[in-house]
Amino acid sequence: EAGVVQSPRYKIIEKKQPVAFWCNPISGHNTLYWYLQNLGQGPELLIRYENEEAVDDSQLPKDRFSAERLKGVDSTLKIQPAELGDSAVYLCASSLLKNTEAFFGQGTRLTVV
Amino acid sequence: GQNIDQPTEMTATEGAIVQINCTYQTSGFNGLFWYQQHAGEAPTFLSYNVLDGLEEKGRFSSFLSRSKGYSYLLLKELQMKDSASYLCAVINDYKLSFGAGTTVTVRA
Repeated sequence: EAGVVQSPRYKIIEKKQPVAFWCNPISGHNTLYWYLQNLGQGPELLIRYENEEAVDDSQLPKDRFSAERLKGVDSTLKIQPAELGDSAVYLCASSLLKNTEAFFGQGTRLTVV
Repeated sequence: GQNIDQPTEMTATEGAIVQINCTYQTSGFNGLFWYQQHAGEAPTFLSYNVLDGLEEKGRFSSFLSRSKGYSYLLLKELQMKDSASYLCAVINDYKLSFGAGTTVTVRA
C-alpha cells in the first residue's frame, strides 16, 4: 500500500513569490493534516480536513496561506506571497479514523531566499 | 491550550536502555502517541496509549498515567539506528499536537 505522497520534496523560491505543495493521502483516509516543522521543533498544525471540509484552520495564517481538498482526496497548500520566515518543512499526514495514528509524508522542504 | 514538554536531548550507549519522559497539560485528552523521526525524514508511528499502563512492542514500550499527565517511552537494547528524534503527541478533540521532540544519540 502506498503511503502519503508529497511533492515537491524540495523548493527554493525568492521572497514574495507564490508556492504550492501537493499531498496525496493514503487511500481511504478521511482525515488529512498539514503541519509545519521548523528545525529542532515538533510539527505544528496548520489545518485539518475531514473529507473535503476544513474543520480546524485556526493556526493557518489566512492572509497568505490557503489550502483546499477537492473531492476529499488530494490536497494543496499554497503560500502567496512567501516570506523569509516561511522557510520550513511542510508535512502532510492522513489518518483513517478520528483519534487514530496519523501517517506522514516525506514533507516538502521550503527555502525562501 | 496545549503544553507538551519533553527533554531536548539524551545520549546513551549501544545496548543500554533509555527512558524519554513526556508531561502534558491539555484542555482535553483522547490519547497519546510516540513518533520516531530520523533527520530529514517523516515522523513514523511507534505507539499509542489511551488507557493508563504500559504498552509493549518489541524493544519499545510506552507508559501512560492520565492523572499525572505523564508518559514515557522506553527504548531497550539500543541500536545505532535508534539515533533519532522522538516526538510525544497528544490527541485532543481530534487535534494532534506535538512536543518539540527529544533527540537521542546512541554511542558505540
